[in-house]
This record gives sequence, structure tokens and C-alpha cells, in this order.
Amino acid sequence: SQTIHQWPATLVQPVGSPLSLECTVEGTSNPNLYWYRQAAGRGLQLLFYSVGIGQISSEVPQNLSASRPQDRQFILSSKKLLLSDSGFYLCAWGRVGKLFFGSGTQLSVL
Amino acid sequence: EDQVTQSPEALRLQEGESSSLNCSYTVSGLRGLFWYRQDPGKGPEFLFTLYSAGEEKEKERLKATLTKKESFLHITAPKPEDSATYLCAVLPGDSGGGADGLTFGKGTHLIIQP
Repeated sequence: SQTIHQWPATLVQPVGSPLSLECTVEGTSNPNLYWYRQAAGRGLQLLFYSVGIGQISSEVPQNLSASRPQDRQFILSSKKLLLSDSGFYLCAWGRVGKLFFGSGTQLSVL
Repeated sequence: EDQVTQSPEALRLQEGESSSLNCSYTVSGLRGLFWYRQDPGKGPEFLFTLYSAGEEKEKERLKATLTKKESFLHITAPKPEDSATYLCAVLPGDSGGGADGLTFGKGTHLIIQP
């Protein structure tokens, strides 16, 4: 069966510090991978998606970047965090809208 | 621009009190409408996919229906364990640039009191 791992669960970072969130998927090959952000009072917002190694597409301009160094690994990064980067970050895999989400990372930028 | 609006934002019911959640949408060609359940501090969990008007799907006490402009999630005789936030999302027909990325509503926070 397929599983998705995401870590850390919570993170508190100062403004201007770097960020690295990692997500790995098991039990499937060449999955479509996604990073979503859920901010307070807002719906889930698609940040990045990837259809293969090294292939990254961004949905919105922002202070974040993503990379996919291996087939089942997806990384979300920032060189300098902003207060507005706070939120609940979710990694997901799936196809044609049926997504399987990780347990999320609650990021607080102070 | 694709839009998904869910109502009400929050709903408090007594155990056994049936009700419906609404999801209205505007999208350029609907490939699918999706319902997810999200528990506090966790990622959403897939419930249903609906593809065309008139389609219905059921799972335990939940039934999802779809028209050309909205979807309903009917909850029959709910139990406290049905308490969660229910999210609606659409997959537009021209989502080739988004690799099947969904557009989500803000959700309905449902509380079932014993």
C-alpha cells in the first residue's frame, strides 16, 4: 500500500531564516507530487506540483521554491522566511484530483 | 477564474440530526468534483469523486450529489465521530497547466454534539 511521510510536524522559525520541508512517498512509482498551503481562514492553496524528477511547476509567485531530487522525494525550501509564510503545509500525491495527503507541517514564522 | 464556495462555514448539530453541506462552484469545464474530510491538525482524507450532474455517491452516513452548479454532502443521523471540516474541491477541464491541481473551498466545520 502507498504511504506518504512528511516532516517535521511543527516548526517555529524566525523571520529571515531558511526553510526545508521534506516529503517522501512509498509504494508507488512516478507519482504526481504536490505542495499545498493552508492559511488560517483560507482554503488550501496549491503552491507547487511535479510530474517527474527535476520537473517543478509553480502555481503562484512567492518566497518559496521546490525540488524533486528523486522520484518519490519532494522538498519545499526558502532562503529567507517571511511572516506571511506561516501556515499549514501539506504534501500530497495522486492523479486526476484524487489526492493522498501527508500529515502536514505547522510552520510559525516569528 | 475557478471558484469554490462552501456554506455554511460552521454547523453544529445534535447527534442524529440530519443536514446538508453546500458547495457551489464556477469552473471552466468540470473534470471532477471532490469531497475531503479533514480532522484538526491532519491532512485531508479523500471521500468522494463526482463527475457529472445527477451522479450520487454514498459512504456510511454520507451521500454526495452533484448538479451543474453545486454539490451537496448529505449527512444522515450523524454521530460525534463525524465531526470534522469537510472540504470541496474542483478539477477544471483546462487543468493541463496544473497537472491535476485542485481548487479547494474553505470548508465547512461540522460539530456533532452527543
